[in-house]
Amino acid sequence: GAGVSQSPRYKVAKRGQDVALRCDPISGHVSLFWYQQALGQGPEFLTYFQNEAQLDKSGLPSDRFFAERPEGSVSTLKIQRTQQEDSAVYLCASSVSGTGWYEQYFGPGTRLTVT
Amino acid sequence: DQQVKQNSPSLSVQEGRISILNCDYTNSMFDYFLWYKKYPAEGPTFLISISSIKDKNEDGRFTVFLNKSAKHLSLHIVPSQPGDSAVYFCAASGSYGGATNKLIFGTGTLLAVQP
Repeated sequence: GAGVSQSPRYKVAKRGQDVALRCDPISGHVSLFWYQQALGQGPEFLTYFQNEAQLDKSGLPSDRFFAERPEGSVSTLKIQRTQQEDSAVYLCASSVSGTGWYEQYFGPGTRLTVT
Repeated sequence: DQQVKQNSPSLSVQEGRISILNCDYTNSMFDYFLWYKKYPAEGPTFLISISSIKDKNEDGRFTVFLNKSAKHLSLHIVPSQPGDSAVYFCAASGSYGGATNKLIFGTGTLLAVQP
């Protein structure tokens, strides 16, 4: 079956541009997570959705970052007025349930480079 | 403040020998621990997990040990194979308010298995 997919795989943006990163989770998965991975670091939590509800956005680094999942499936992470420090790999993960522990399945990520 | 630490950035072992990857954590509220494996240009792939009520979990060549009093876990791979060469991330999760199940990752250990 299809895993988590993300698009685009690579994005180059000029400083100040807005970008939108898309995540298609595994069909039927309730939970969706976004993580940011800087070079040489582990992934860091950004935000969490349970169906269409954004239950935790404590990891978003600034108000330039915005995420949505309007129909409880596809999610978009938007970064406004990109800065060089936003350069990273953005990972999306989904899991089957919103309660208890279930494995998180990761997509391949979107590598964002801000020049 | 790094809540999950992997102090060895890299490890090299001979094919057929044991690989031991270590991880330390500081937050006593973590109740689930995981190891993920990551190849270049791919997302992390779940490998094995352990609940805080256990001290060992085994799956084929992979065994994870948890020492709660020392806040330490380790991943043993026996025997190591060249295909195991990848970056290994330790991650932890817990019901500490906000989003349950968000993962806190270490910085990773690059394992190289020499033929």
